[in-house]
Amino acid sequence: KQEVTQIPAALSVPEGENLVLNCSFTDSAIYNLQWFRQDPGKGLTSLLLIQSSQREQTSGRLNASLDKSSGRSTLYIAASQPGDSATYLCASLSYNTDKLIFGTGTRLQVFP
Amino acid sequence: EPEVTQTPSHQVTQMGQEVILRCVPISNHLYFYWYRQILGQKVEFLVSFYNNEISEKSEIFDDQFSVERPDGSNFTLKIRSTKLEDSAMYFCASRTGSSYEQYFGPGTRLTVT
Repeated sequence: KQEVTQIPAALSVPEGENLVLNCSFTDSAIYNLQWFRQDPGKGLTSLLLIQSSQREQTSGRLNASLDKSSGRSTLYIAASQPGDSATYLCASLSYNTDKLIFGTGTRLQVFP
Repeated sequence: EPEVTQTPSHQVTQMGQEVILRCVPISNHLYFYWYRQILGQKVEFLVSFYNNEISEKSEIFDDQFSVERPDGSNFTLKIRSTKLEDSAMYFCASRTGSSYEQYFGPGTRLTVT
């Protein structure tokens, strides 16, 4: 059974810092991994989807990497801004299933 | 940019009542999902739906739950007899047939009293 964990649970950084959010999964037979942003009381916004055949995916200041062999994905945020403050969720999709398995999230606060 | 929409944004109901949560997926999407998030917990998969039938469901999705696509645009989740533990944020999601990227709606907060 796939388990997805995220560390740290919370992170507070000053504006301008580069930061890394971690996501670990137990089943290496994943098909893809999707990163989301969730603002308080709101829905999930898809940030990046990285296929199992890819090592990296980039969108603007965001870069996601995937290492299936170690069961890890990282989300790198460059030059963080207060508007990046939100909870970041990773979710894995395994082969032969169509359901996303979510991590518990990392709550990020970027202060001016 | 097309979005998944959900109504209502907040629903309060009494235990034992039936509720219907509504979703309008993105128009060219073929796969539809419901997830829920109990306050402070992980987002959990409930059900997936394709070609007018359930393709996968979780253990949570018991006989009290049902889904329907009554027309070409709406996708609904019905809970027949709500329980206190059904209180959660319910998210609808959809995707195309050519990409596995799921797009989520803003959610319906269901409060059962």
